[in-house]
Amino acid sequence: GQSLEQPSEVTAVEGAIVQINCTYQTSGFYGLSWYQQHDGGAPTFLSYNALDGLEETGRFSSFLSRSDSYGYLLLQELQMKDSASYFCAVRDSNSGYALNFGKGTSLLVTP
Amino acid sequence: EAQVTQNPRYLITVTGKKLTVTCSQNMNHEYMSWYRQDPGLGLRQIYYSMNVEVTDKGDVPEGYKVSRKEKRNFPLILESPSPNQTSLYFCASSLGQVADTQYFGPGTRLTVL
Repeated sequence: GQSLEQPSEVTAVEGAIVQINCTYQTSGFYGLSWYQQHDGGAPTFLSYNALDGLEETGRFSSFLSRSDSYGYLLLQELQMKDSASYFCAVRDSNSGYALNFGKGTSLLVTP
Repeated sequence: EAQVTQNPRYLITVTGKKLTVTCSQNMNHEYMSWYRQDPGLGLRQIYYSMNVEVTDKGDVPEGYKVSRKEKRNFPLILESPSPNQTSLYFCASSLGQVADTQYFGPGTRLTVL
């Protein structure tokens, strides 16, 4: 089996930095992805880590430590439009490489 | 424009009345999948398809059927919908089985009375 844990809610101030953690348990780990979803909208891809280390894409960065079964999404220079749900997702080679999602973290950015 | 489309976007139906939610992608992607999203449960995979005529069950396949007769289309079929299938459904596609990016459709909000 597999499981992913991420905080259910995070609040941060506009302009600040926030980190959303994700821990996972899976027997056939293949990669960790992050998706953003605004209320009622479609999830959109943010970042992917297959190897240990930091991946940077503009204001967003994602980190992976396979030995610790842990990753995080780092959002810098927060903007009001970053208020959304953020999902970590693990691809598991033991289940047809299906993408299994965490339950999501609701980020609220306040003025 | 590269996209995944779903129809209908909203549907209210009654228990037992067969329905189909269509999904189409114009990116020539091999891999397509269906998810349902329920409050507090995140996205759960229903079925996926690695290519034409190749489909397999995801985590919550009970009560659903799919088919993949053409590369671009991946309809989701509910033969006899029940109220516990009331949910927000997303279709997604990606270049391959292990591609890092999945592209999601806009979602179909289904209510079964």
